[in-house]
Amino acid sequence: DVKVTQSSRYLVKRTGEKVFLECVQDMDHENMFWYRQDPGLGLRLIYFSYDVKMKEKGDIPEGYSVSREKKERFSLILESASTNQTSMYLCASSHSLPEAFFGQGTRLTVV
Amino acid sequence: EDQVTQSPEALRLQEGESSSLNCSYTVSGLRGLFWYRQDPGKGPEFLFTLYSAGEEKEKERLKATLTKKESFLHITAPKPEDSATYLCAVQAFNDYKLSFGAGTTVTVRA
Repeated sequence: DVKVTQSSRYLVKRTGEKVFLECVQDMDHENMFWYRQDPGLGLRLIYFSYDVKMKEKGDIPEGYSVSREKKERFSLILESASTNQTSMYLCASSHSLPEAFFGQGTRLTVV
Repeated sequence: EDQVTQSPEALRLQEGESSSLNCSYTVSGLRGLFWYRQDPGKGPEFLFTLYSAGEEKEKERLKATLTKKESFLHITAPKPEDSATYLCAVQAFNDYKLSFGAGTTVTVRA
């Protein structure tokens, strides 16, 4: 079974803090994704990566950056957290097949 | 731009009362349409991929079908454990990302 693991289930951070969300997958997948999920808006793509050190902006990249130094790990960085970044963050990975497999999610609250 | 619309937003069913969820989509060349199940506070769990019109997939009490403009997820004789939010997503050819609908939250009462 594919396993996508996010480092935290719940996080509470202060406005202005730099926040790191980590994601690790164990299936040697090329593609990795970061989404955020908000009520009524569904999942929106923040960034994705199709190879080590490669990244592409998704639909809502503002205020975020990413890092992929190793194939199995994809990090999402909030450069200066703001209250409107309070959300559920979901990491996913996929191989050449289009199905994406998701982690358990990180619920981030910025106060 | 790819667009996915799911209806209804919420569905309340009695145990054993079959129903269908709708996913309407527009995409520039469909590579695949996906159904996921999501339980509260958890990440989406992959259910099905459909690739072409006329295709059907089944898993236990769930059956997904696909036309050129929409997909249906049929829930036959649901049980309380089928309560969840069901998400639909599409992927276009030459694109890595999935575009998601907002989901349908299904509640099945015993």
